[in-house]
This record gives sequence, C-alpha cells and structure tokens, in this order.
Amino acid sequence: NAGVTQTPKFRVLKTGQSMTLLCAQDMNHEYMYWYRQDPGMGLRLIHYSVGEGTTAKGEVPDGYNVSRLKKQNFLLGLESAAPSQTSVYFCASSPGQGSQPQHFGDGTRLSIL
Amino acid sequence: AQSVTQLGSHVSVSEGALVLLRCNYSSSVPPYLFWYVQYPNQGLQLLLKYTSAATLVKGINGFEAEFKKSETSFHLTKPSAHMSDAAEYFCAVRASFGNEKLTFGTGTRLTIIP
Repeated sequence: NAGVTQTPKFRVLKTGQSMTLLCAQDMNHEYMYWYRQDPGMGLRLIHYSVGEGTTAKGEVPDGYNVSRLKKQNFLLGLESAAPSQTSVYFCASSPGQGSQPQHFGDGTRLSIL
Repeated sequence: AQSVTQLGSHVSVSEGALVLLRCNYSSSVPPYLFWYVQYPNQGLQLLLKYTSAATLVKGINGFEAEFKKSETSFHLTKPSAHMSDAAEYFCAVRASFGNEKLTFGTGTRLTIIP
C-alpha cells in the first residue's frame, strides 16, 4: 500500500526555470493538499483540492499553480522559480470527512539557485 | 479563524523522563485537534487525534494528549522518553465543520539525552 507518493524527491533549479511536482495517492481520497515547510514556520498550505477538477488557494499561493485532472493526482507547478521558493514540499490527502486525518507523502526537497 | 501555538521550539529530556510538549489552539467553532510526528527526511505521521469523543486521547508509541477546553490546550505527553522519540512534533487544528483545512503549529523539536 503506497499511500501518498511524491516525485521527484530532490531537485535543484536555476532562478526562472519551471517545474512540476507530482503527487499521487492510491486511497481514493477526495481531498488533496500541497504544503511547504520552512525552518521555524511549520507547514503552510499552498493550494488544495476538494475533488477532481477543483482547486483552491491556501495561505501562500503566490508563484504556484495546481491542477487536479484526475482524482488520484495533484500537480504543483512553479512557472518561474525564485530563490524564496527553496523549501521542502509536502503533499497530503484525506477523505475530507470530519475528523479524518491527512496522510502525507515523504516530501520533495527543492533548491532554487 | 483558527490558529495553533506550540510553546518551545526545542525541548530536551533525559531518557526515561517525562515528555511534555505544549499546544494551545484558537478556534471559533469546536475543533478537531491532531498531533503529528516527523522523523528526519520523512513526511508527517499521525500520532493521535481529538474528535470530541473523549478528552484523554491515546496514540501510538505510548503518547497521549488531553483536551482542556477551559485552557484551550491539547498538550502531548509520554511518561518515559525513549531515544527513538527524538523527532519534530506538530500540533494542528481543524474546525469541526465548515472548513476542510488544517492549521499547523510551528513545531517542537524533541531531543532525548542518553
């Protein structure tokens, strides 16, 4: 049972480059989330989705775009990477019902030079 | 609106000693509360959750937490620390209705002294 899988695990980009982070879940969860984790700041929500074809902004959405074309996949895009986007990115999913917890992937460590 | 405050970004305890990690929350509606643990280079794993069924919640690895509405607290405890407990711990809050988002605290890094 894979749970939540994130690819890639590591990536180094140059300023201005673009890339897409992929999140896949095999638990048939409705809700999916993208967070970034920075030292001393906990996890901050970038974007989330409450179902296939839907997306919504979180706390820190600027500079990122997302898509949820298939229920099991949630993509996070950086159109023009900036050094401030150097971070560890986590994807999570949940059934979205009441007290059900979110399940997390192992993260993508992204460095922007 | 909801928020979480974790007091103490770093906590050190001796092996075998009591572990106490503090979490205070703010929520305009009855909350669901969660504690997650993160080991180095890994994602977050659920330790335990409060869903209003019982104020004392038991989780994995011997951890438990008590919901105190009057103090708006949900502190995490473990009677006897083990070396394997060294990790970062996050408290999170979610409104019990009308909000599908979790709000996380800034985390507490727990170090165990041999």
